[in-house]
Amino acid sequence: AQSVTQLDSHVSVSEGTPVLLRCNYSSSYSPSLFWYVQHPNKGLQLLLKYTSAATLVKGINGFEAEFKKSETSFHLTKPSAHMSDAAEYFCVVTLANQAGTALIFGKGTTLSVSS
Amino acid sequence: EPEVTQTPSHQVTQMGQEVILRCVPISNHLYFYWYRQILGQKVEFLVSFYNNEISEKSEIFDDQFSVERPDGSNFTLKIRSTKLEDSAMYFCASSETSASDTQYFGPGTRLTVL
Repeated sequence: AQSVTQLDSHVSVSEGTPVLLRCNYSSSYSPSLFWYVQHPNKGLQLLLKYTSAATLVKGINGFEAEFKKSETSFHLTKPSAHMSDAAEYFCVVTLANQAGTALIFGKGTTLSVSS
Repeated sequence: EPEVTQTPSHQVTQMGQEVILRCVPISNHLYFYWYRQILGQKVEFLVSFYNNEISEKSEIFDDQFSVERPDGSNFTLKIRSTKLEDSAMYFCASSETSASDTQYFGPGTRLTVL
């Protein structure tokens, strides 16, 4: 069975400092991995996805994530946080190349950014 | 940019009543999904739908739930007899082809069961 574990429920950073949101996954098959962001009272927006191409994936708003099979990790990073990055972030896994398959969400990490 | 839309944004109902949540997926997408997020908990998969039938469903999706694509654009989730524990944010999503394609989410419907 597939699952994701987001290692931190809450991360606080100062504006301009790096962001690291950690995610470990478990999958018996070659997974697809995603990071979604949810701003208050908004829907879920895709930040980036990994689908067995390049292991370093670049997303929107300066975020990127690196797929490390040996560590079963897919951590999300950003070099310099902005106030507008404050939101809930979800690491998500699904089976690659299987149509109509459910996304399995992690519990989420709340990112707070202070000035 | 095309987007998934959902109506209503907020639905309040009495326990035992039927509710229908509506979604308009992106027009060229073939796979449709419902998820829910109970306040303070993680997003949970309910059901996926392709070619006018359910392709996968979770344990949450019991006989009280049903989905339908009544016309060429709408995708609905019906809860036959709502319970207090059905109170949640319900998200609709759609994807073009396979699961490795991005699932695009709507803004959600907040369902409150009193």
